[in-house]
Amino acid sequence: QVTLRESGPALVKPTQTLTLTCAVSGSSVSTARMCVSWFRQPPGKALEWLARIDWDDDKYYNKSLETRLTISKDTSKNQVVLRMTNMDPVDTATYYCAQIQSCGGDEGLSWFDPWGQGTLVTVSS
Amino acid sequence: QSVLTQPPSASGTPGQRVTISCSGGSTNLGTTYVYWYQQLPGMAPKLLIYRNSQRPSGVPDRFSGSKSGTAASLAISGLRSEDEAEYYCASWDDSLSGWVFGGGTKLTVL
Repeated sequence: QVTLRESGPALVKPTQTLTLTCAVSGSSVSTARMCVSWFRQPPGKALEWLARIDWDDDKYYNKSLETRLTISKDTSKNQVVLRMTNMDPVDTATYYCAQIQSCGGDEGLSWFDPWGQGTLVTVSS
Repeated sequence: QSVLTQPPSASGTPGQRVTISCSGGSTNLGTTYVYWYQQLPGMAPKLLIYRNSQRPSGVPDRFSGSKSGTAASLAISGLRSEDEAEYYCASWDDSLSGWVFGGGTKLTVL
């Protein structure tokens, strides 16, 4: 049974770079077909997909945020890391990671389960 | 503005059947599957329905999903107070090359 847990700073200043960690347990991030995505949800608003990384290190990004995002894996710690540059107050949100099920083929056939509990990041000076 | 369109709210009384709609386009729902997630207050999203109408183990059969063309719906029968949550539809979008979500529907059990 895979579980995911997000961690990172609760508060960042505008223009700073945010680094979030998704600790995975119950499976290796390098195991075939193990894929992880990041999402965010501003307070009272909808979910937004941010990025995805696959077991073979293939990476995919939300095109509207692509220039600010970097997703990577730390296989020694079995973690997935998301970096977002040039943070702004509008980036205030709860950030979630989730495993992608049925990953590695047609993206339309895959879904997100399970999810981590989320971590709230506030951007303020 | 979300790519998938959901009504912002829905409501029903205990025991009733309610449906939540999700409208998309030719590059998402018109091409591939819809997925539904339930988000209880203060909690992380949870998978409710996958591939239009499949229920993960543990999800009661009171929940059902369907899709026709570019429209999808989630039906909840025998409404219970614990069903009060936000419900999101999601799909892959070929044009955006990314996953897209609806704006969410807040279900209130009266």
